[in-house]
Amino acid sequence: SQTIHQWPATLVQPVGSPLSLECTVEGTSNPNLYWYRQAAGRGLQLLFYSVGIGQISSEVPQNLSASRPQDRQFILSSKKLLLSDSGFYLCAGQDGFSTDTQYFGPGTRLTVL
Amino acid sequence: GENVEQHPSTLSVQEGDSAVIKCTYSDSASNYFPWYKQELGKGPQLIIDIRSNVGEKKDQRIAVTLNKTAKHFSLHITETQPEDSAVYFCAASKKPGYKLSFGAGTTVTVRA
Repeated sequence: SQTIHQWPATLVQPVGSPLSLECTVEGTSNPNLYWYRQAAGRGLQLLFYSVGIGQISSEVPQNLSASRPQDRQFILSSKKLLLSDSGFYLCAGQDGFSTDTQYFGPGTRLTVL
Repeated sequence: GENVEQHPSTLSVQEGDSAVIKCTYSDSASNYFPWYKQELGKGPQLIIDIRSNVGEKKDQRIAVTLNKTAKHFSLHITETQPEDSAVYFCAASKKPGYKLSFGAGTTVTVRA
């Protein structure tokens, strides 16, 4: 099975500052990759997904963007953070068209002050 | 799109008792139903999954049942232990490589 790495594990940023969260995948090629956000005590909100390099689909309009510069790298960014961007960000990977199973990374806790 | 509803939102059980979480889905084309367990501060972990050609699946103390006609599926945890305390999410998908639709989650607390 694949392994999902995320960093940093925690991040505290001021309002208006930029953001870059990174996700990398081991153990598979050409995975589908996903970014989710989880507010405190809430469920999983799908933000972006990607089926290949440079291919990004956005699920909700927001202050964030995603990029996939390499097959096993997925980046979540923002030019100017808002207070409402605080949350737990999770990256997930899926073995493309051959399987349904998604595996999650350990997450990044983002606090915007 | 697919809508997955999950009940209850919180569940408190005595250690050793059973816990049952139920989910319903709206899209009859859905055919893959995973369950995830999320411990505090960690990413969700897949604990069991079932596909629509199977009615029940067991893995030690955990079992999942699926009723395609009624479009609902359930997670059963027997002989609960304190380490079963976590948030559990159900999800549904309609084809390999497709995104998952998640339920809102159930917070399970096992009382010692």
